[in-house]
Amino acid sequence: DAKTTQPTSMDCAEGRAANLPCNHSTISGNEYVYWYRQIHSQGPQYIIHGLKNNETNEMASLIITEDRKSSTLILPHATLRDTAVYYCIVRPPNFGNEKLTFGTGTRLTIIP
Amino acid sequence: DTGVSQNPRHKITKRGQNVTFRCDPISEHNRLYWYRQTLGQGPEFLTYFQNEAQLEKSRLLSDRFSAERPKGSFSTLEIQRTEQGDSAMYLCASSLGGQINEKLLFGSGTQLSVL
Repeated sequence: DAKTTQPTSMDCAEGRAANLPCNHSTISGNEYVYWYRQIHSQGPQYIIHGLKNNETNEMASLIITEDRKSSTLILPHATLRDTAVYYCIVRPPNFGNEKLTFGTGTRLTIIP
Repeated sequence: DTGVSQNPRHKITKRGQNVTFRCDPISEHNRLYWYRQTLGQGPEFLTYFQNEAQLEKSRLLSDRFSAERPKGSFSTLEIQRTEQGDSAMYLCASSLGGQINEKLLFGSGTQLSVL
């Protein structure tokens, strides 16, 4: 079962920062927060993940609250190609079956 | 490395026929996963392999479904006696297991339509 709650859909103006929230109030101490996105007719694409600290890579930034019960994925300068479904997933570290359990995600639409 | 490759990209079949999909993972990845995705839903886990061993199968994987990874490299997913409810996108992913920062990398999927 998915352990995260995300808004069903969001819009963002092209060139602005897109902030996608995720609630994971039942997250365990050793579980990571992963973000994937899926552009229409393609497989999911890894974006970023984190445990406690904020993380940044070439695609996005991940802000995790101090209590770890929620997080925000930030796309700093959204482009039309960022239109996709974004999935927030929590999973344990690599000590057994670490399959990803997807929810229904947030459909992000970038508006020109 | 060209990433995870899945073939065919699309498959149209008649109800009752058998179909087989192939997944070629990233060469050094020891783990391989199969997922199924229907319209408007997130991907659902079906099964996964570590090397050639199939370690877990979802309850979604009925007796008509079988997956193999005979040499720990490519994998096949076969559906026997297809039903209209099998129509979905079938996704394959691979990863390098044994790492805390394990990342699953997905292929583009095989879209199955059962008529």
